Amino acid sequence: EAAVTQSPRNKVAVTGGKVTLSCNQTNNHNNMYWYRQDTGHGLRLIHYSYGAGSTEKGDIPDGYKASRPSQENFSLILELATPSQTSVYFCASGDRCSGNTLYFGEGSRLIVV
Amino acid sequence: GQQVKQSSPSLTVQEGGISILNCDYENDMFDYFAWYKKYPDNSPTLLISVRSNVDKREDGRLTVFLNKSGKHFSLHITASQPEDTAVYLCAAGYGANTGKLTFGHGTILRVHP
Repeated sequence: EAAVTQSPRNKVAVTGGKVTLSCNQTNNHNNMYWYRQDTGHGLRLIHYSYGAGSTEKGDIPDGYKASRPSQENFSLILELATPSQTSVYFCASGDRCSGNTLYFGEGSRLIVV
Repeated sequence: GQQVKQSSPSLTVQEGGISILNCDYENDMFDYFAWYKKYPDNSPTLLISVRSNVDKREDGRLTVFLNKSGKHFSLHITASQPEDTAVYLCAAGYGANTGKLTFGHGTILRVHP
């Protein structure tokens, strides 16, 4: 069974609307990450967290917020969605003991119209 | 600028041949180097990784070569098979166990029967 699950898997949102992407992991990993993947850009880090209650800005945090209410859950929040945020979003978890290995979810495809 | 670069967007290899995927990086601080494999509409999965204290690591048909002075690492896949057809993402990071990886844009590998 998948250890990192994302919801929704597909979402169409209107410009200016609020979007929340959710991620749940059963790996008991301390670290969780949100990346987006776009053609020509590869995977880019948006926000990450080293534990419940903490979030950190990644390389492209503008327009996004993150929330880590528990060890298992990490959400990515778009308060005012824009068409430039149309992308595929990947959540990942990592184990502090095994270094930088990331375990990714299946991805969430977001279209902002 | 792009810190991790895969200069070849695609590579085609005959079944049974050797696939060589290349990655260049800019940041001297990187001390962790990895290759992820991604099928369409699936999540990236770790193939193989190496720390900066070694210049080569083998795992079955996979070998990672690291050239720190040249800021370059590569993935060699021997006896390439059609099921190796996928997108290959190189990634680099630094700092123990941070999991903050910088990814390349990816190389599409096609292995023809």
